[in-house]
Amino acid sequence: GQQVMQIPQYQHVQEGEDFTTYCNSSTTLSNIQWYKQRPGGHPVFLIQLVKSGEVKKQKRLTFQFGEAKKNSSLHITATQTTDVGTYFCAGRGVGTSYGKLTFGQGTILTVHP
Amino acid sequence: KAGVTQTPRYLIKTRGQQVTLSCSPISGHRSVSWYQQTPGQGLQFLFEYFSETQRNKGNFPGRFSGRQFSNSRSEMNVSTLELGDSALYLCASSPGFGGDEQFFGPGTRLTVL
Repeated sequence: GQQVMQIPQYQHVQEGEDFTTYCNSSTTLSNIQWYKQRPGGHPVFLIQLVKSGEVKKQKRLTFQFGEAKKNSSLHITATQTTDVGTYFCAGRGVGTSYGKLTFGQGTILTVHP
Repeated sequence: KAGVTQTPRYLIKTRGQQVTLSCSPISGHRSVSWYQQTPGQGLQFLFEYFSETQRNKGNFPGRFSGRQFSNSRSEMNVSTLELGDSALYLCASSPGFGGDEQFFGPGTRLTVL
């Protein structure tokens, strides 16, 4: 079945450093979504990427979708303490897996002031 | 608009019992998905309902079941509870099926003793 792997599992950074998390799917995706979950909270939607090679930016966050639509990345520039949380990618399948959203394991980001 | 609501927020059960969790989606949303979140396994997809029909199902045993009502509210049921079923159960709603962002509820924290 469809699997989505996300690395790293943990990332500790000093405030002001950059951060990147990577997501790889075992199968081609129709789209990929990114979510952020603050400690004690629930996942909150950040963005959706649909097109091959797509790049989207939200202030300090840059999201990329690979050419083969099997991998994606989230890059945060100059992290702040408000960026603390777990970042999840979630891929939607194609074909018989259409509509099914598979989440990566998440990357737990800690930002030290 | 009110967000996704889940009841109850916390639940303690013993092995062998059964439990029913409830989810009320955002008004106008017709798709409801359920996820199990545990520290070791991350977010695992349980099932997705759209217009009262189960459209996708994850890899969980038959003890896990769900349904959706005509007003889009959804319930999930777990029978013959096991210790390993202890988790945060998250419900997410979206306007349509197959491509929309998911709006998560606060979750139900189930503890099985």
